[in-house]
Amino acid sequence: RKEVEQDPGPFNVPEGATVAFNCTYSNSASQSFFWYRQDCRKEPKLLMSVYSSGNEDGRFTAQLNRASQYISLLIRDSKLSDSATYLCVVIGGYSTLTFGKGTMLLVSP
Amino acid sequence: DAGVTQSPTHLIKTRGQQVTLRCSPKSGHDTVSWYQQALGQGPQFIFQYYEEEERQRGNFPDRFSGHQFPNYSSELNVNALLLGDSALYLCASSRGTRHNEQFFGPGTRLTVL
Repeated sequence: RKEVEQDPGPFNVPEGATVAFNCTYSNSASQSFFWYRQDCRKEPKLLMSVYSSGNEDGRFTAQLNRASQYISLLIRDSKLSDSATYLCVVIGGYSTLTFGKGTMLLVSP
Repeated sequence: DAGVTQSPTHLIKTRGQQVTLRCSPKSGHDTVSWYQQALGQGPQFIFQYYEEEERQRGNFPDRFSGHQFPNYSSELNVNALLLGDSALYLCASSRGTRHNEQFFGPGTRLTVL
């Protein structure tokens, strides 16, 4: 089983739609969780951290279920500019990031 | 305040050659991590440097080596290049030994022919 698994997509949605991505991780000792966004041929950029209590940042909501080892990202009211690859990231020791393969989102007019 | 910088941006090498990639961390950061991102994959952790020492290493062969300088900048060296080493090499910097937000550089795109 891969350490971090994501559906690669692509997810094709119209502007204004709500879309959700899921991610599972295998190491129950994982300590911290994040979503990064990566535009085509660019570097990953931190989108948001994921907390056990769930957290929201504008149109984005992230949730963590430690019992099921599952992380989610919900995007409401999708914009064209949301088109990107969303990377699920898990941290073990020493701040090393373990990335999923990413889920591609394409938002169309 | 300059972010993470990497050089060169693109590089073409042939099999068997050696390559050196460079990274300057964000101002105030002292930890540098290197990642390899093959096409269609997520970044894979190569190793991390802190206080001029390799602190942790991912599942990469000894052909991959690195160095950190007193000014916190870092180099990644790859010997005996293989076609499969073609990828985007990303450098990320952070501060301290505990997790902090990692900032990525724009990467070096290496093509091995």
